[in-house]
Amino acid sequence: GQNIDQPTEMTATEGAIVQINCTYQTSGFNGLFWYQQHAGEAPTFLSYNVLDGLEEKGRFSSFLSRSKGYSYLLLKELQMKDSASYLCAVVDSNYQLIWGAGTKLIIKP
Amino acid sequence: IAGITQAPTSQILAAGRRMTLRCTQDMRHNAMYWYRQDLGLGLRLIHYSNTAGTTGKGEVPDGYSVSRANTDDFPLTLASAVPSQTSVYFCASSEAGTSAYNEQFFGPGTRLTVL
Repeated sequence: GQNIDQPTEMTATEGAIVQINCTYQTSGFNGLFWYQQHAGEAPTFLSYNVLDGLEEKGRFSSFLSRSKGYSYLLLKELQMKDSASYLCAVVDSNYQLIWGAGTKLIIKP
Repeated sequence: IAGITQAPTSQILAAGRRMTLRCTQDMRHNAMYWYRQDLGLGLRLIHYSNTAGTTGKGEVPDGYSVSRANTDDFPLTLASAVPSQTSVYFCASSEAGTSAYNEQFFGPGTRLTVL
């Protein structure tokens, strides 16, 4: 079967750094997406990784290790507006996105 | 408009009733998708369409049907609603459904309650 694992919830402090992990077991791999979803809103695109390594985009970075079936999203200089759920999704062999349940990130002042 | 619109925003429906959720995109994307999102579960694909005139079944298609008569519209129909179909429904689109870089753009969602 296909499986995406993420922590259910994490708490961090404003101004700090947080790492959200995602492990996956899927039928094929054609890339991994991270999306952000604020409560009551639609998911929005954050990053895409298909090769091993780190992709940096401002305060957000995403890392991928295909051999380990592992990715993480790194958020730096946390702001209150970063309070949201972060969704990991893998593109499988049929080019469909398989979604994790999401990690709810709570930022405290 | 720019992006994806969905209607209605929310709906309370009696069990056994028929309901169509509407989705329209203006980005000329080839592929469109319907997901449901339930607490504690990831987005689950109901149906998809890689191009106008074609549709396919996702992970949880039972009780739902779709059509893709043109590029812009992708309605989702519940033939006879049941309480287990209470959920938030998201429509999404992407440039190509058969590409590794399959960035999907989401509509605002429809919150459906079946009583």
